[in-house]
Amino acid sequence: GAGVSQSPRYKVAKRGQDVALRCDPISGHVSLFWYQQALGQGPEFLTYFQNEAQLDKSGLPSDRFFAERPEGSVSTLKIQRTQQEDSAVYLCASSFDFPTTKNTEAFFGQGTRLTVV
Amino acid sequence: DQQVKQNSPSLSVQEGRISILNCDYTNSMFDYFLWYKKYPAEGPTFLISISSIKDKNEDGRFTVFLNKSAKHLSLHIVPSQPGDSAVYFCAASRNSASKIIFGSGTRLSIRP
Repeated sequence: GAGVSQSPRYKVAKRGQDVALRCDPISGHVSLFWYQQALGQGPEFLTYFQNEAQLDKSGLPSDRFFAERPEGSVSTLKIQRTQQEDSAVYLCASSFDFPTTKNTEAFFGQGTRLTVV
Repeated sequence: DQQVKQNSPSLSVQEGRISILNCDYTNSMFDYFLWYKKYPAEGPTFLISISSIKDKNEDGRFTVFLNKSAKHLSLHIVPSQPGDSAVYFCAASRNSASKIIFGSGTRLSIRP
């Protein structure tokens, strides 16, 4: 498909379990973002990649969160020892360039809904 | 602390009338402002943006107004259509930074 693809769509994890969330960006898109969206809130920035380089990880809430994009395409967000407060929708977005105009807009995937029980 | 605030969690507008969604921000370093639209079970989609050097940007039925002195922007949709029913997020960024900061969203409902 032509859009940003995220998998799985839904994930239920037991507290303490490790999870890995996958993002397939649009082919050729340089920028890739991860956001966390809690219920009733707007997306909160987690981290940003430009190709394979992670240029900003200031939004990662703890060292249990780790993201990678080793070949500058597919990205994985890993959460270790999940806690209940990690329950949220995790959104991935990609853009051709840094997304500030209609020509460089960020395209979001449908998200992965993580529920930690 | 919320740098981008959308104080109205919901708004109901009659079809054909104007919808006005409001947003306030606190960081004077923001120089780009964006509006995203989100349908249930989908990711946000880009709607319209405005640079801080402008005070208005228009795209079809959608117009964004920026008042820098008041640190306020608004999205006008006219005429409102049933397909406009969605959650609208206001967002802002600094050109030199990587992150886009989102507001908490306003749920717009267009009633017949």
